[in-house]
Amino acid sequence: QVEMLESGPGLVKPSETLSLTCTVSGGSISGYSWSWIRQTPGLGLEWIGYVHYSGTSNYNPALKSRATFSVDTSKNQFSLTLTSVTATDTAVYFCARHSRASYATFDFWGQGSLVTVSS
Amino acid sequence: AIRMTQSPPSFSASTGDRVTLACRASQDITGYLAWYQQKPGKAPRLLMFAASTLQHGVPSRFSGSGSGTNFTLTISCLQSEDFATYFCQQYYYDPPTFGQGTRVDI
Repeated sequence: QVEMLESGPGLVKPSETLSLTCTVSGGSISGYSWSWIRQTPGLGLEWIGYVHYSGTSNYNPALKSRATFSVDTSKNQFSLTLTSVTATDTAVYFCARHSRASYATFDFWGQGSLVTVSS
Repeated sequence: AIRMTQSPPSFSASTGDRVTLACRASQDITGYLAWYQQKPGKAPRLLMFAASTLQHGVPSRFSGSGSGTNFTLTISCLQSEDFATYFCQQYYYDPPTFGQGTRVDI
């Protein structure tokens, strides 16, 4: 059974950079695409973008080029950095695996990591 | 981005009820629609994709229908573990987008 765990600071100051890592266990990161999705009470679920295990990425234009993904297949991890954060970036951040049965749906999710942007 | 609208935002039901949740897309998404279930403090769980195809391991009391802009998720006989929030998601257009959810309460 695939399991995913997000890790990173729970508190980030405004204008600084948010960094999160997702560690995948119980399966290989290779052969799949992996997304970051965040959730807030106000905006609901928002797809941030995906990274393919090969390293290619696609981003939600709404993030205005602030997001960057990376992947480390040797560690079975992938990461998100989000620059110039503001209070509106406060959210629970999930990592999720793309389903092979239906590409842009998400069949395994991490438990979520709450990130608060505050000084 | 495609806007997904779910109705109602919440409602109360009882164990054994048949419930139907609605999701509308702002543009034609053909059948590229998924449903998720989320319980408090947990990640969403994929229930269905392609509007009506059950994800492996999901009970058959869940069913989906629709195409174009209007979709429904039906739970034929509500169980206690089904009290949760349900989200729809379109994946026809990039970026994929989610509805705001329908919370099913006791």
